[in-house]
Amino acid sequence: AQSVAQPEDQVNVAEGNPLTVKCTYSVSGNPYLFWYVQYPNRGLQFLLKYITGDNLVKGSYGFEAEFNKSQTSFHLKKPSALVSDSALYFCAVSHDNYGQNFVFGPGTRLSVLP
Amino acid sequence: GAGVSQTPSNKVTEKGKYVELRCDPISGHTALYWYRQSLGQGPEFLIYFQGTGAADDSGLPNDRFFAVRPEGSVSTLKIQRTERGDSAVYLCASSQGQGVNEQFFGPGTRLTVL
Repeated sequence: AQSVAQPEDQVNVAEGNPLTVKCTYSVSGNPYLFWYVQYPNRGLQFLLKYITGDNLVKGSYGFEAEFNKSQTSFHLKKPSALVSDSALYFCAVSHDNYGQNFVFGPGTRLSVLP
Repeated sequence: GAGVSQTPSNKVTEKGKYVELRCDPISGHTALYWYRQSLGQGPEFLIYFQGTGAADDSGLPNDRFFAVRPEGSVSTLKIQRTERGDSAVYLCASSQGQGVNEQFFGPGTRLTVL
């Protein structure tokens, strides 16, 4: 079975500082990894994905994520946080032997303090 | 263009009643997903359609839940004999083609079973 862990319920960072939101996964095949963001009263929005290729993936709003196969991680990063980045972030995984059944992590609430 | 829409936005019902939740995906998207999101948790996969057929319904919790997509566009999630534990936000998402593509989410339907 596939699973996703987001070990931090909450991440606080000062505006302008780099941010990291952690994600680790477990799958039996090659992973497909995604990050989504959920703003209050809005639907989930796609940020970025890793399917294959370069381990560093760049996405929307200046976010990037690094796929690390040996550590089974896919941490989300941004060099300089904005107050407007404050939201709920979800990591999700599927894999090539299991089609489109995505498993989402429990979410990490990011608060960027001015 | 228009995004994924879901109706109603809120539904309050009594235990034992039948409810239908509707999802209108992005035009041309062949893949459609239903998820359930409880408070403080990530989306939980329910069912995935590719065209008119349910390609993976392994996430449906029991036989009270059923979903259809008769013409390969609009989908309806049907819940019979609702229970208080069914209370959650039901999310719909759509994506292009048959590859592992990013999903576009609707705003959700908040179901409350009294």
